[in-house]
Amino acid sequence: DAMVIQNPRYQVTQFGKPVTLSCSQTLNHNVMYWYQQKSSQAPKLLFHYYDKDFNNEADTPDNFQSRRPNTSFCFLDIRSPGLGDAAMYLCATSGSKWGIGELFFGEGSRLTVL
Amino acid sequence: AQSVTQLDSQVPVFEEAPVELRCNYSSSVSVYLFWYVQYPNQGLQLLLKYLSGSTLVESINGFEAEFNKSQTSFHLRKPSVHISDTAEYFCAVRDASNAGNMLTFGGGTRLMVKP
Repeated sequence: DAMVIQNPRYQVTQFGKPVTLSCSQTLNHNVMYWYQQKSSQAPKLLFHYYDKDFNNEADTPDNFQSRRPNTSFCFLDIRSPGLGDAAMYLCATSGSKWGIGELFFGEGSRLTVL
Repeated sequence: AQSVTQLDSQVPVFEEAPVELRCNYSSSVSVYLFWYVQYPNQGLQLLLKYLSGSTLVESINGFEAEFNKSQTSFHLRKPSVHISDTAEYFCAVRDASNAGNMLTFGGGTRLMVKP
């Protein structure tokens, strides 16, 4: 019973061609996060939503955008992917921004940029 | 701000041997501590967590971790590993006193269990 579902699992795009990754959750959690994880590195937080309140990390490039049309769905848009954007993108949720911090992750979307 | 250091990037070990994955953190306030596991091409899964109370916490698959406040450590141990434990393990910390802070992850330790 997958609770955080990411699509697609694998995405191949060309340099500069926009791509959208999606995340849906059945947990009814208020907080949704997008992380970027490069090979053999820790996940790096790009941004998060608390309900519809969007919070961007200071060092997240403008090339990355996000949308959360409702509680269940969140999208990551990469407007002009570069070779350096090839990574695993992880969506996660948590029940409350003020809680203990346990995150529930999806299986990730691996992006390849040609 | 917190930081997390995982001293070993890779730990090779033979099946049925014991293992310890080290994690040290720095923080000026009280913290919550977590270990997450990531199997190949998958997302992270919570393995165990320390919030308060007993400093020794256990997971359902035989891992345990001990919170040591004086040494600011939260090392992960298992007395006998299986091939299926091969994965990347991430230690993470969150400020317990300032609600709304994000998790800070360590760099990860790749556990490689050999037959």
